[in-house]
Amino acid sequence: DAGITQSPRHKVTETGTPVTLRCHQTENHRYMYWYRQDPGHGLRLIHYSYGVKDTDKGEVSDGYSVSRSKTEDFLLTLESATSSQTSVYFCAISESLGQETQYFGPGTRLLVL
Amino acid sequence: GENVEQHPSTLSVQEGDSAVIKCTYSDSASNYFPWYKQELGKGPQLIIDIRSNVGEKKDQRIAVTLNKTAKHFSLHITETQPEDSAVYFCAASAYSSASKIIFGSGTRLSIRP
Repeated sequence: DAGITQSPRHKVTETGTPVTLRCHQTENHRYMYWYRQDPGHGLRLIHYSYGVKDTDKGEVSDGYSVSRSKTEDFLLTLESATSSQTSVYFCAISESLGQETQYFGPGTRLLVL
Repeated sequence: GENVEQHPSTLSVQEGDSAVIKCTYSDSASNYFPWYKQELGKGPQLIIDIRSNVGEKKDQRIAVTLNKTAKHFSLHITETQPEDSAVYFCAASAYSSASKIIFGSGTRLSIRP
């Protein structure tokens, strides 16, 4: 998986609790992304980062925040989890924004009860 | 913004036969079209990509065709094998500082023995 790890790999939480997912890369790629994958919707971009402390919103950013304090780490936070945020979350990295290969992590399966 | 539609959502073919997955895009500025394969329990992985300056690209049993006039592109897998069973995603992006890859909704391909 191109030097990308995600933690935790599985999480069950309750509605209203905060949740933080972590993505760590060893490739020194500039761009990092968080996607969610749901049946019938494919992969939808939540947020992405183009450098340390530089982030921007994707198409489904409501209810999510991100932070990148180091090149290798990109955190996704659900401030107050809802059942609609039950999904599989993938982190990805790339050297350019939209014109080169994206390398995906193994995913985090999140269940919000 | 860009919209990518992918068909069919599921596809079952006999081992040894060919499989074709089709995608359409809406943004005429799109010029990069990658295809990703996702095996069960893993993150998506790039299998082939094509840029707008060519109409077809092949890599062993996999080929992608692009029709810019009609704004559609297709993935062709010949002589299918059991290991081709997976979910396939098409995607599109345009060359600009703000463009991100937009993914189709995915096709679940099953190879019947």
